[in-house]
Amino acid sequence: DAGVIQSPRHEVTEMGQEVTLRCKPISGHNSLFWYRQTMMRGLELLIYFNNNVPIDDSGMPEDRFSAKMPNASFSTLKIQPSEPRDSAVYFCASSSPAGGAFFGQGTRLTVV
Amino acid sequence: DAKTTQPPSMDCAEGRAANLPCNHSTISGNEYVYWYRQIHSQGPQYIIHGLKNNETNEMASLIITEDRKSSTLILPHATLRDTAVYYCIVRAKNSNSGYALNFGKGTSLLVTP
Repeated sequence: DAGVIQSPRHEVTEMGQEVTLRCKPISGHNSLFWYRQTMMRGLELLIYFNNNVPIDDSGMPEDRFSAKMPNASFSTLKIQPSEPRDSAVYFCASSSPAGGAFFGQGTRLTVV
Repeated sequence: DAKTTQPPSMDCAEGRAANLPCNHSTISGNEYVYWYRQIHSQGPQYIIHGLKNNETNEMASLIITEDRKSSTLILPHATLRDTAVYYCIVRAKNSNSGYALNFGKGTSLLVTP
């Protein structure tokens, strides 16, 4: 398996634009997580899904953020409109009930 | 989730064992201890997890005290590539609703030549 695949790896966008981050989890994993990492706040859990259903979205900072998981092999995290303070590395991870979570390489987002 | 306490930083000489401690005195009976690490600019990497028995895999060993209030991650022969931030996380595992990991500040391990 290729592991958790995230795209794009890097994204630079202007303030006010819509940004969509994509994630393909490991086949057979039934949980998917979105995290954000900054120097100031460390790794923050934004939302996680179990069997394609959002379980806990209390970490989503505000209504500008939304996440979907239309099927077991794909998830998106959307920011609309984007702001400079959204600049961070966004990680997607997936797991099976039996083991640990496996992370993608992340998307480095810069909003100018 | 039970809170964990880790030293902010540690040094280890290359080739020696690195012993990373974690305190989780409020752990409850159904909570597991997970260890992850994050090498600079990469995503966190799963290392090992356990409930109450000691565990070993190709990466590391996990020693959990009998009262489960603390644990130690052991890298038996540290290499320069083991330089990373190591996170100890305590979380219940529920196969029906899934689980989430909340990362703290971790221990920054520096392996020196």
